[in-house]
Amino acid sequence: EAQVTQNPRYLITVTGKKLTVTCSQNMNHEYMSWYRQDPGLGLRQIYYSMNVEVTDKGDVPEGYKVSRKEKRNFPLILESPSPNQTSLYFCASSSWAGNTGELFFGEGSRLTVL
Amino acid sequence: AQSVTQPDIHITVSEGASLELRCNYSYGATPYLFWYVQSPGQGLQLLLKYFSGDTLVQGIKGFEAEFKRSQSSFNLRKPSVHWSDAAEYFCAVGGDFGNEKLTFGTGTRLTIIP
Repeated sequence: EAQVTQNPRYLITVTGKKLTVTCSQNMNHEYMSWYRQDPGLGLRQIYYSMNVEVTDKGDVPEGYKVSRKEKRNFPLILESPSPNQTSLYFCASSSWAGNTGELFFGEGSRLTVL
Repeated sequence: AQSVTQPDIHITVSEGASLELRCNYSYGATPYLFWYVQSPGQGLQLLLKYFSGDTLVQGIKGFEAEFKRSQSSFNLRKPSVHWSDAAEYFCAVGGDFGNEKLTFGTGTRLTIIP
């Protein structure tokens, strides 16, 4: 089954404790992206990747890091989480540039930073 | 910079009634336009997309949308809603190939009453 898998789905952590949210897709997609969803703000892009070893900032990259060492994986790293990073995070992938092809989304990772 | 406005935060309609969700975009050239649906606790799923050609596009689940360049709009419609259509709906705009940033609106929550 074609899917985008995120882990963990739910996480509560404390300020400053590094964490990684993993994202993996099994569709051989070149494009992958991370979004955060906050009430009243919709989805905002954090980082995206056009292919292995190619990443770029989205609209709200501060406080986040990403890497793309393999085509299927695109982890989101919070080196020192802060409460304003409490949010619902979505990973997405696409077989073409993200704006021209259908984005396939994971089920989301709800992160709470205390 | 591109942007999307969904003026209605929350809409309530009766089951069997018609539906129209509004979306206005801002983009300097011909946009790529999308509607996504998010069911509770789920990721987003593509309903339909407009790239070029016929300005009335058909999507899944009986939805359609019409691109009106003169009004910078891409409104989503359905002639008769079902209780299962209750969800949050997001309009999104992307640009020419090479623009990897897909910008989402803030979403419209749809409630269906019996």
